[in-house]
Amino acid sequence: KAGVTQTPRYLIKTRGQQVTLSCSPISGHRSVSWYQQTPGQGLQFLFEYFSETQRNKGNFPGRFSGRQFSNSRSEMNVSTLELGDSALYLCASSLLGHSNTEAFFGQGTRLTVV
Amino acid sequence: KNEVEQSPQNLTAQEGEFITINCSYSVGISALHWLQQHPGGGIVSLFMLSSGKKKHGRLIATINIQEKHSSLHITASHPRDSAVYICAVGYSGGGADGLTFGKGTHLIIQP
Repeated sequence: KAGVTQTPRYLIKTRGQQVTLSCSPISGHRSVSWYQQTPGQGLQFLFEYFSETQRNKGNFPGRFSGRQFSNSRSEMNVSTLELGDSALYLCASSLLGHSNTEAFFGQGTRLTVV
Repeated sequence: KNEVEQSPQNLTAQEGEFITINCSYSVGISALHWLQQHPGGGIVSLFMLSSGKKKHGRLIATINIQEKHSSLHITASHPRDSAVYICAVGYSGGGADGLTFGKGTHLIIQP
């Protein structure tokens, strides 16, 4: 079966702009989580969606938001981009959530803010 | 807040050596994940553990819930095992929090 698909793979944006990233989970998976990876902070949890509802949110400013559609596809949005938002953004899908079911990761979207 | 500590941070070994990577965490968890990340970014899930031991090919993962410690072992290591290995934990108790990650172990296997 198809894996987790993230689009786009690479993105370059200017400070102050906004960006939308997309994640299509494995068919049948209802949980999608988003993570930010930077050289300094490593991998950090952004938020998790389950059946179109945000179940939990990490410690990120309100400029970071997301949503999940009825087909479980998810998008995350970052508004008013800052240089520090440059990172690899990963999404992961699982059947019920990463606390107790296996997580499958996408290839990530590498965002560069200039 | 759960803290996840991995050791060593960097490890260089010769092909064929037995590799051990350690992970410790501070509070109760519902599951521990071992992940592998190659250059380019993609992450592959190797194991998810809540107790005991799991084996897949040359990889073995163990967890000791009482000691809050897990190990990932690679037998007969090969240069293609070179990657960053990341330990991540999911919290116990209600809800479904995101994973908390260790900083990773950068493994290089030399031919």
